[in-house]
This record gives sequence, structure tokens and C-alpha cells, in this order.
Amino acid sequence: TQLLEQSPQFLSIQEGENLTVYCNSSSVFSSLQWYRQEPGEGPVLLVTVVTGGEVKKLKRLTFQFGDARKDSSLHITAAQPGDTGLYLCAKGSGNTGKLIFGQGTTLQVKP
Amino acid sequence: DTGVSQDPRHKITKRGQNVTFRCDPISEHNRLYWYRQTLGQGPEFLTYFQNEAQLEKSRLLSDRFSAERPKGSFSTLEIQRTEQGDSAMYLCASSLGLAGENEQFFGPGTRLTVL
Repeated sequence: TQLLEQSPQFLSIQEGENLTVYCNSSSVFSSLQWYRQEPGEGPVLLVTVVTGGEVKKLKRLTFQFGDARKDSSLHITAAQPGDTGLYLCAKGSGNTGKLIFGQGTTLQVKP
Repeated sequence: DTGVSQDPRHKITKRGQNVTFRCDPISEHNRLYWYRQTLGQGPEFLTYFQNEAQLEKSRLLSDRFSAERPKGSFSTLEIQRTEQGDSAMYLCASSLGLAGENEQFFGPGTRLTVL
């Protein structure tokens, strides 16, 4: 059972457009991670957000952690075909550090 | 290459056969995780090792699945009597295990197809 809900599940846009992906939970996170996964590869960590209201930027990607630490968003400005992939949010669970992932948002950016 | 490696990258097998996958984590990482991922979904946790000790197993890990990390370095995941529902990507990840640090580094995965 996925405890993190991501939306939308699939997004197909033209190069140059902006987009936002959302990650929501009914429970509070101590921290949240965003990963990007390309086909046939493992997920790669993009960012970790820890503080409620925190905003982090990674080039054209902007990550925001909700004030109540129950939600997060990823905004991509001027998307490029190289941004194509599966975007996953994840939270750590328990003392083991295992990750609970959302179901992911598949992004396709057309040239 | 000092990242997490997995072998094989692809495995096709017939239902009922046994398969074994290997994961080599980043050398100084004491935590190792196995996840399973089906198409269009996020990875789901299977099991966790702290050094050589297997400390947690998911309910997804039926008795046909077994994992080992004999010397606290590489790990193996074996599936006995494979079923078509076992078809998935099996991902391994490792981390340093520092307090409050959840950053995991993933391998490229082993894609299993059960015919």
C-alpha cells in the first residue's frame, strides 16, 4: 500500500512548457526525498527537503515542502526532452531508513 | 565505477525455476535494501540489512524469497519456484546509515521476466 499519493500519474507536454508534480500524504513527514528514474535504471536522488515551507532549487527544478510537512511539489520550468522520466517522492520509515515511495509521475517532454 | 552494481541486468526464466540476483553496494555502506518495482509504479520495500544482519522483511517477501548478505558486503536475493507475478524490476540500494540520513544510492536493477 502506497502511503504517498502523487499526481498526476502521467504528464505529456511540449518542450518549453512548465509543469508541477504533487506528492501528498495524510501523515506528517520528517523529511521527503524526490528521485528521478530513467527507463531501465535505478532512481537517482534529486533533493531532500526537511523543514516545513522549505524551498530548494536545482537549476530549472524547484522543490517545495508544505508548511505542515504533509505535502510537497516539484515544479519544472521550461521543460526539456532530457527531463523525461519517472519522478518519485519518497519518505523514510522507521529506524531502518527504508523508503516508502509514491506511485510516481511519468513525464514525457516532446521536442 | 564506485556505484551500486547489480547482476544480471535482465533475467528471463520459466515458471517454477529458481533465480538468484546479486547486488554489490558502495563499499563503505553498511545498509543495504532490496526493493521491487512493477511497471508504472514506485519501488516497494522488500528487505533490509545492517551489515550482515537481515533486520527487516516486508510482508511482500513470501517464503519463496530469501536474501543474504554473508559478509556484510554483497547481497543475493533468491526466488524459488518463480511465478508470473514475480515479474518485476528488482532494485538494490545502499546507504551509509548515518543518524537522520536516508539518502540511498540505487543500482540499475535486475529486470525479471517469468514466462
